[in-house]
Formats: sequence, C-alpha cells, structure tokens
Amino acid sequence: EAGVAQSPRYKIIEKRQSVAFWCNPISGHATLYWYQQILGQGPKLLIQFQNNGVVDDSQLPKDRFSAERLKGVDSTLKIQPAKLEDSAVYLCASSPTGQPLPEQYFGPGTRLTVT
Amino acid sequence: AQSVTQPDIHITVSEGASLELRCNYSYGATPYLFWYVQSPGQGLQLLLKYFSGDTLVQGIKGFEAEFKRSQSSFNLRKPSVHWSDAAEYFCAVGAHGDYKLSFGAGTTVTVRA
Repeated sequence: EAGVAQSPRYKIIEKRQSVAFWCNPISGHATLYWYQQILGQGPKLLIQFQNNGVVDDSQLPKDRFSAERLKGVDSTLKIQPAKLEDSAVYLCASSPTGQPLPEQYFGPGTRLTVT
Repeated sequence: AQSVTQPDIHITVSEGASLELRCNYSYGATPYLFWYVQSPGQGLQLLLKYFSGDTLVQGIKGFEAEFKRSQSSFNLRKPSVHWSDAAEYFCAVGAHGDYKLSFGAGTTVTVRA
C-alpha cells in the first residue's frame, strides 16, 4: 500500500512570495489533514477535510493560507504572501473513516524556509 | 480543549539501557492517547495508541505505554534501546468523535554507544 505522498520535499522562498504544497493521500482515505510543525514544536492542525468538505479550519490563517481538496482526493495548501514565521515543515496526513478514532498516516512533509 | 505536556525536551540514553518518556495530558473525559515517532526527514509513525481497556499498551518496535488516569499520564517505555531508536517522540491526545489530535512539543532521544 502506497503511503501519503507530498511534494516538494523542500522549498526556499523569499518573504512576500507565494508557495504551494501538494498532497496525495492513501487511496480510499476520506479524511485529510494539513499540519504545520515549527522547529521545536509538535504538529499543529491547520485544516481538516472530510472528502471535499472542510471540517475544521479554525487554526488556518485565512488571510494568507488557503487549501482545497479537489474531488475528495489530492489536496493543495497555498501560502500567499509568505512571512518569515511561516518557516516550518508542512505535514499532510490521511485517515480512513471509522470510530472511535482512526489512525492518521503521515507523509514525509515539506520543509519550507522563508528568507 | 485537550492538551499535552512532554516535560523532557531532550533525553540521552546509552544503547541497551532502558528508556522512559513522560507525557501528561489534560482532557475532561476519557482521552484517546497516542505516541508517534519521527526520524529525521521522515513523517510521523504511530508507535501505539490507547482507547480503552487494558491500561498497558504494547506497540511496535518493542515500545509500551501505560495509561494512568489518576496521574493524567501516558508514559512511553522501552526496556533496551537500540541506536535506531534515536528520533523525536510525540505524545498526542484526541477525543471521541473528533478526529483532531493535539500534540505535545516532543522529546528528542539521543542514543550513545
């Protein structure tokens, strides 16, 4: 079974530029998550999708971050314009539906450096 | 809202020695608890999870964790560490019906020869 795929693995941009990350979840997983992991901290949930719909985006800085999940499969996360404090690893995870709490499978992440 | 505290930022242990990583959670109801490991440049991998039942949970790679409700703790243990156990370890808590996980800040484990 293929895991969660993410690209690119690394990205360096200047502040005020835009950047996009791509995630392909495990086939059949209805739920997709984007996390931000700042150096020295644990992952923080940015947005959660259930199929095409957004379940939770309460911690997404919506003035600069956007995310979409087309056709309930792949997802992209965009930052525009980037700030220095956006430097982090962006992790995508997916999980099947089910109770009580399905396991989340994580991709390798995209390391973003904003200069 | 649930939260997790991992009191130890960094632990160094000799190869073959035992390892214990601490995790304290805050949540009003019965929590769902997880331990993940992250090797450099890798995503997070689930080591074990606790939902209910036996409070001593066995996981992969020889790890186990014990849920202690009275202490709001879910500490991770391994009797004998291997050099490949050097990584960052995250404790996380979730709630029934809410797929969102709250992670601790992590503990970095260094294994010396």
